[in-house]
Amino acid sequence: EVQLVESGGGLVQPGRSLKLSCVASGFTFSNYGMNWIRQAPGKGLEWVAYISSGSSYIYYAETVKGRFTISRDNAKNTLYLQMTSLRSEDTALYYCAVGFAYWGQGTLVTVSS
Amino acid sequence: DIQMTQSPSSMSVSLGDTVTITCRASQDVGIYVNWFQQKPGKSPRRMIYRATNLADGVPSRFSGSRSGSDYSLTISSLESEDVADYHCLQYDEYPYTFGAGTKLELK
Repeated sequence: EVQLVESGGGLVQPGRSLKLSCVASGFTFSNYGMNWIRQAPGKGLEWVAYISSGSSYIYYAETVKGRFTISRDNAKNTLYLQMTSLRSEDTALYYCAVGFAYWGQGTLVTVSS
Repeated sequence: DIQMTQSPSSMSVSLGDTVTITCRASQDVGIYVNWFQQKPGKSPRRMIYRATNLADGVPSRFSGSRSGSDYSLTISSLESEDVADYHCLQYDEYPYTFGAGTKLELK
């Protein structure tokens, strides 16, 4: 059974940093590209970033480019999202997804002073 | 960026209805459209991939279609468990973009 478990969310002040993790199990993590998607409270879905299986290809939404960094550790079956210079508009539930077939339960990031 | 214009934003429905939700792509995205169902407090669930393919475990009353740049999700004979939010996604070109979502509500 595919499982994706996000962690690392929390309350953070504007301008600060936070690193999210997503631990994968139930499939060969190193074979699949991974996505981060977020959803602000009461809003729609927003794709955030993608990383290919071997980390050769990385893409970001314009809203996070230069502030967020996606990475992965295939030996640890873990996907990361390093978020810096956080803004109030980054407040959202952050999901990791393998392709878009399987999603985690999300981790909530709240940016507020 | 490619815009996915989703309509309607909300819909009042009755059990047994046939429901159609549409996304219009601002440029060609080929077959690379997914549809997702999301219930309150839950993660999105992929229902349709590559515009017309039913994802594993999805009831056959769900279907996806394409006409030019218009992509549609149709639910035939709506059941209570289908009342949810629905989102389209284009994944032909980065940045990937979602539609704004459609909320189904029971009359």
